[in-house]
Amino acid sequence: DSGVTQTPKHLITATGQRVTLRCSPRSGDLSVYWYQQSLDQGLQFLIQYYNGEERAKGNILERFSAQQFPDLHSELNLSSLELGDSALYFCASNGGSGRAADTQYFGPGTRLTVL
Amino acid sequence: AQKVTQAQTEISVVEKEDVTLDCVYETRDTTYYLFWYKQPPSGELVFLIRRNSFDEQNEISGRYSWNFQKSTSSFNFTITASQVVDSAVYFCALSEAGIGTDKLIFGTGTRLQVFP
Repeated sequence: DSGVTQTPKHLITATGQRVTLRCSPRSGDLSVYWYQQSLDQGLQFLIQYYNGEERAKGNILERFSAQQFPDLHSELNLSSLELGDSALYFCASNGGSGRAADTQYFGPGTRLTVL
Repeated sequence: AQKVTQAQTEISVVEKEDVTLDCVYETRDTTYYLFWYKQPPSGELVFLIRRNSFDEQNEISGRYSWNFQKSTSSFNFTITASQVVDSAVYFCALSEAGIGTDKLIFGTGTRLQVFP
């Protein structure tokens, strides 16, 4: 158990809908990262937050947004869902500044299926 | 540009065989970090090792060992006397220190199947 929690574990929804994925980092960790794992794109970095502020953006679609709250949990919002958004979404956390490549520990992931 | 290449898509071995998973990386940064993660069939990503660019010492942890060679930009992973429980997808990843974020760049993974 990495100490990172993600809910829900599975999510099945329809095209056009909006969903929210939630992540609680390890106790004391200030940085949260979101990654998407799909069959065609592999594991890709989406976005990073450090202590409530956005630190970096990767290949994140405009339909997707995220935030990190004062209690350091993070949410990833996916809207106007398309079939191609079906993937495993991982959250990771570490205690570093977000620049020093401290080890990232991953949550169990949320498997999103868009029908 | 940052890139991680895992040329072996899938490897199958019989239990007790040794197996090496290859990882080649590209980076312009002089300070960087390399990682290996394991993704068992249950789906989670499990951290195995972190190595920084200034530490070229090989590392051994039980049946696992890692060979880091800057001259060939490689960070290979060897499992000695493989076991069925080693069956998983293994990812090599790179993080650079000088770009303001320590996001991970992953390779495409190598699926290892260990048969009894």
